[in-house]
Amino acid sequence: DTAVSQTPKYLVTQMGNDKSIKCEQNLGHDTMYWYKQDSKKFLKIMFSYNNKELIINETVPNRFSPKSPDKAHLNLHINSLELGDSAVYFCASSQDGRGTDTQYFGPGTRLTVL
Amino acid sequence: AQSVTQPDIHITVSEGASLELRCNYSYGATPYLFWYVQSPGQGLQLLLKYFSGDTLVQGIKGFEAEFKRSQSSFNLRKPSVHWSDAAEYFCAVPPGGYNKLIFGAGTRLAVHP
Repeated sequence: DTAVSQTPKYLVTQMGNDKSIKCEQNLGHDTMYWYKQDSKKFLKIMFSYNNKELIINETVPNRFSPKSPDKAHLNLHINSLELGDSAVYFCASSQDGRGTDTQYFGPGTRLTVL
Repeated sequence: AQSVTQPDIHITVSEGASLELRCNYSYGATPYLFWYVQSPGQGLQLLLKYFSGDTLVQGIKGFEAEFKRSQSSFNLRKPSVHWSDAAEYFCAVPPGGYNKLIFGAGTRLAVHP
């Protein structure tokens, strides 16, 4: 069983479109995250949710809206896509968000904006 | 603010050779430190982590790392590299101890046969 899964794996779209990426974890964790990895492999936190509540929003544009319908799911909706949004987006989860927790990562969603 | 620096962007070693990947951290107190590996086209997998106790930490796949406070370092080592170790390696720290990881820029490891 996949611990953290993301769909789709690849997403190619035109500028200005709206798209969503879905994430699910079956580990029973309380905390979930979205990270963005740019073309230089640099990883940066975007959002963190604990028990469906937003904990961290790292100055991400308002066009990005995370939604957590329950503890096991954290989706990312992106409005009005821009070229600079092209990246790999990783979902992750951890037990309760403490600094000592291991974060488990999904396989990533490669978003290409044309 | 807490941060980690990985000075080496790209390292190439021969299969069977030893490996050391460098990570330096910036933090006043004892930090929590992590090493993750990203194989091509894959997500990140935890290799090992340190937050207290023995400064030499053993991880998966034969990796180990040593926390050295005097040098603000947490270098990753492996005595004999296998071709399957070719990947991107990230050092990371959770600033303030909660809810997110700050990653270094990563070190890409290439392994020659």
